[in-house]
Amino acid sequence: DAKTTQPPSMDCAEGRAANLPCNHSTISGNEYVYWYRQIHSQGPQYIIHGLKNNETNEMASLIITEDRKSSTLILPHATLRDTAVYYCIVRGNTNAGKSTFGDGTTLTVKP
Amino acid sequence: EAGVTQFPSHSVIEKGQTVTLRCDPISGHDNLYWYRRVMGKEIKFLLHFVKESKQDESGMPNNRFLAERTGGTYSTLKVQPAELEDSGVYFCASSQLDLTGELFFGEGSRLTVL
Repeated sequence: DAKTTQPPSMDCAEGRAANLPCNHSTISGNEYVYWYRQIHSQGPQYIIHGLKNNETNEMASLIITEDRKSSTLILPHATLRDTAVYYCIVRGNTNAGKSTFGDGTTLTVKP
Repeated sequence: EAGVTQFPSHSVIEKGQTVTLRCDPISGHDNLYWYRRVMGKEIKFLLHFVKESKQDESGMPNNRFLAERTGGTYSTLKVQPAELEDSGVYFCASSQLDLTGELFFGEGSRLTVL
């Protein structure tokens, strides 16, 4: 798997957009970028994933650079409930469950 | 629709004892995965079932761990005998199609070995 690098922590004001970066400079052509988050001690929750095009769903947007070496997860209007550890994972499409979660970014949304 | 459920939510046992963790995946999900987080470390893959078959068990730490998925429905993860370093949170996840990689996780089973 390609290794990912994320900042250990970030703060965001409630109601503002949260932009979480991830570097994955060794990503290969058939590997996807996945984002999960873990709120407190709950199980990880899937957010979004993409290959090379930008993606958007009801939770977030994913912006992948043209060279695919980095990406940004965007929570458009962060709420206090979005405080969590966010994991960026790069994985091939097959056997994608064998993911290494790394240390992630602890996002703290402040009132 | 019920999500992935795990039992027990918390188990406290003595070193040398046996513990069995259970995972009920989302109905219809052929893929089932076990992960664990030991204290202060990252979430790590243990193994992957496709229906009742072990697809990949490369993450299993040693032969004290035994996972089964008889009938391709629920799965059990048995630790026998448990050691102190086995303490942590064990997560189960399931997915309908491995292709998308979207995993649905349970709340985890916290294991404390004294």
